[in-house]
Order: sequence, then C-alpha cells, then structure tokens
Amino acid sequence: EAQVTQNPRYLITVTGKKLTVTCSQNMNHEYMSWYRQDPGLGLRQIYYSMNVEVTDKGDVPEGYKVSRKEKRNFPLILESPSPNQTSLYFCASSLFWASVAYEQYFGPGTRLTVT
Amino acid sequence: KQEVTQIPAALSVPEGENLVLNCSFTDSAIYNLQWFRQDPGKGLTSLLLIQSSQREQTSGRLNASLDKSSGRSTLYIAASQPGDSATYLCAVKGSTLTFGKGTMLLVSP
Repeated sequence: EAQVTQNPRYLITVTGKKLTVTCSQNMNHEYMSWYRQDPGLGLRQIYYSMNVEVTDKGDVPEGYKVSRKEKRNFPLILESPSPNQTSLYFCASSLFWASVAYEQYFGPGTRLTVT
Repeated sequence: KQEVTQIPAALSVPEGENLVLNCSFTDSAIYNLQWFRQDPGKGLTSLLLIQSSQREQTSGRLNASLDKSSGRSTLYIAASQPGDSATYLCAVKGSTLTFGKGTMLLVSP
C-alpha cells in the first residue's frame, strides 16, 4: 500500500531532550516536507526537500533540523525541544514539486507535547 | 506571499442539504489546488486535486471548481450526511504549499 508513515504517533517529552520524528514514504517520491498544525494558525511548513541531499527552510524552521540521506526517509530533529514546539506534526510527500499533476500525500501525524 | 482564506470558518447544516465551501487565494501563479478533509486530531485525507488548467473535478458527491484568474475555488457537497462532518482544508501549490485555516462542517441528523 502506498503510504507515508510517521513514528512515533504520540510523544511526551521534557524541555531540552533531543528527539527525532521519523518519516518514510514507499512511493519513490522526490519531494518531502514537514508541517506543524496549531489551533488558529493552521498548517505551516517547517522544512522541505526537493530530492536527496537537498533541503530548504519553510515558513517556521527555527528550532528544527532535517536531513535527506535517502529518498524514502526525511526525519525531523528537535535538538533542544521547548514547550512552544508542542504541536501536531505532519510529514508529506509528492512525486515531483514543479508539476500540476501530482498531489501531496500526508502521513497520519505525530502529536508532540513538550513539558 | 500567497495567502489562502476559507469562508465560512464553521458551518452547521441539517442532513440532506447541498452546501458550498469557499477558498480564495491571492497569487494566481499556482500549479494546482487540493482539497483535504481532516477529522479531529487525525491526518489529512485528499479529496480532490484540480490542476491549474482545469476548471473542475468531481468525485462522488463532491465537486470542486477553480477560477484561477479570480483566485477562487469552491467545494460543493451534495446531499450532505452526518459522516461528512469534518474540517475541510484547501491547499494551494505555488512556490510553496499554502493552506487555508479550514471550514469546520457539522452535519446533523
């Protein structure tokens, strides 16, 4: 089944403890991205990757890191989480970016709470 | 910078009604527009994708239209059902993927 998977789905952690949220897609998509969703603010892009070893900042990159060493994986790293990073996180992928035809596929989300 | 607005923010209707959700965007230089459904605390389910050269797309009881020149899209839901209750998001793909804040729909039996 074609899908985007994220792990963990739920995570409660403490301020300053490094964590990684994994994202993997099995569709051979070139484009992958991370979003966070907050009440009243909607979905905002954190980072995106056009292809392996190519990443760039989205609208809210502060406090996050990403890497794209393999086509299928795009982990989100919080080196020193803070309470304002408590949010619902989504990973997404698409075959290509610069095309009218290809839709975005979203993972199931990771609910992160930082205390 | 692209801005996407969805009106209304919330909508409550009785079962069986036909309804229209609106999405407007400020920059017409887009690749496509995608409508999603999101249930509370859950992920995004893609409903319809309209390419920039297309005027409308249909899937079952859903019909989405796109008027790129005026920066508008509508999602038409025919014969609404309680199971349609969810938040509906439109996302515009240009240089980035920009989301509206959604319309929260409640369909009562």
